[in-house]
Amino acid sequence: DSGVTQTPKHLITATGQRVTLRCSPRSGDLSVYWYQQSLDQGLQFLIQYYNGEERAKGNILERFSAQQFPDLHSELNLSSLELGDSALYFCASSGSGVGNQPQHFGDGTRLSIL
Amino acid sequence: GENVEQHPSTLSVQEGDSAVIKCTYSDSASNYFPWYKQELGKRPQLIIDIRSNVGEKKDQRIAVTLNKTAKHFSLHITETQPEDSAVYFCAASMTGNQFYFGTGTSLTVIP
Repeated sequence: DSGVTQTPKHLITATGQRVTLRCSPRSGDLSVYWYQQSLDQGLQFLIQYYNGEERAKGNILERFSAQQFPDLHSELNLSSLELGDSALYFCASSGSGVGNQPQHFGDGTRLSIL
Repeated sequence: GENVEQHPSTLSVQEGDSAVIKCTYSDSASNYFPWYKQELGKRPQLIIDIRSNVGEKKDQRIAVTLNKTAKHFSLHITETQPEDSAVYFCAASMTGNQFYFGTGTSLTVIP
């Protein structure tokens, strides 16, 4: 158990819909990272938050948005869903946004678009 | 931005043999290099990491080496076992704000 909690584990929805993925970081971790992993693909960095503020942005689509709340949990919102958005979405957390700290991944949310 | 290349994409070894996976990076400012193991359908798990002020780090059967001049780092697994079969990802970071991942190596250990 990494200490990073992601909900839900599975999500099935239709094209055009909107979903929200939730992540609770490890106790004490201030940074949260979101990644997308499509079938047989690598990890695509989406976005990072540190203590409530956006720190870095990767290849995140405009249809996607995220935020980190005062209690440090984070949500990733995906809207106008397309078939190609079907993927495993991982959240990771680390201790601090200053310097390099190991990331610890949650178990992921598997999103299936029908 | 940083670009991390990982080779090979697939690797098969006999049980007991060694496996080596190599990654190269483009930005000399990168200073932290973690390796992750991901079993099918599961989360990536950190197995070892190295910082730029160190040339080599070992943890039992796993070792990582870093060559800053050539900008490459490698994962070495000795005495491989079937449970080592997984996808391995390397990554590079310079600030901790963004991690750049390699495309992964699928390792199969043949009993």
